[in-house]
Amino acid sequence: DQQVKQNSPSLSVQEGRISILNCDYTNSMFDYFLWYKKYPAEGPTFLISISSIKDKNEDGRFTVFLNKSAKHLSLHIVPSQPGDSAVYFCAASALDTGNQFYFGTGTSLTVIP
Amino acid sequence: DAGVIQSPRHEVTEMGQEVTLRCKPISGHDYLFWYRQTMMRGLELLIYFNNNVPIDDSGMPEDRFSAKMPNASFSTLKIQPSEPRDSAVYFCASSRGQGEKLFFGSGTQLSVL
Repeated sequence: DQQVKQNSPSLSVQEGRISILNCDYTNSMFDYFLWYKKYPAEGPTFLISISSIKDKNEDGRFTVFLNKSAKHLSLHIVPSQPGDSAVYFCAASALDTGNQFYFGTGTSLTVIP
Repeated sequence: DAGVIQSPRHEVTEMGQEVTLRCKPISGHDYLFWYRQTMMRGLELLIYFNNNVPIDDSGMPEDRFSAKMPNASFSTLKIQPSEPRDSAVYFCASSRGQGEKLFFGSGTQLSVL
């Protein structure tokens, strides 16, 4: 059973606009969340993270929001650039899972110039 | 550091053959993970090691899959015999400590005909 879900397989956005990628999880014990970015023929690379004690974390153009009551997190990219076109995975972990990371199925973002 | 190194990058084999995937983690990282990426399930954890000891192999799909870590700088994932449904991208990742972010290799694209 998928504990981390990304229900949008793909997303297209105009350059300069905001990209919003969503992620839902089922395990209320998850306390650490990460976003990874993956280009074709490469491995995923770490982008940004957030712990459950916070509801927002910002790093340049990237902001992650966490809504614990809704078991939902989102990644905002503002402004979107063509180089942001990639597959984005969200991941979650918890102490009671041995700190294993559970990944979603990914969202393919295309930023149109 | 060169990052996590996986070989081969691509493997094409026939059903029934043995396949061995290799991984060299980042030096000093105590944890090593094997993931499989599929469209349906995203990034699926197969097995992970701590200080060369397998901790959780519950994600290994069948007895046809086995993994070893004979020393801190080398791990293998073996499939014997291989089947067409094993076709996927297999990633190795390592981390410094429990719950810390993962660093991924470039993956091995496996095609079983």
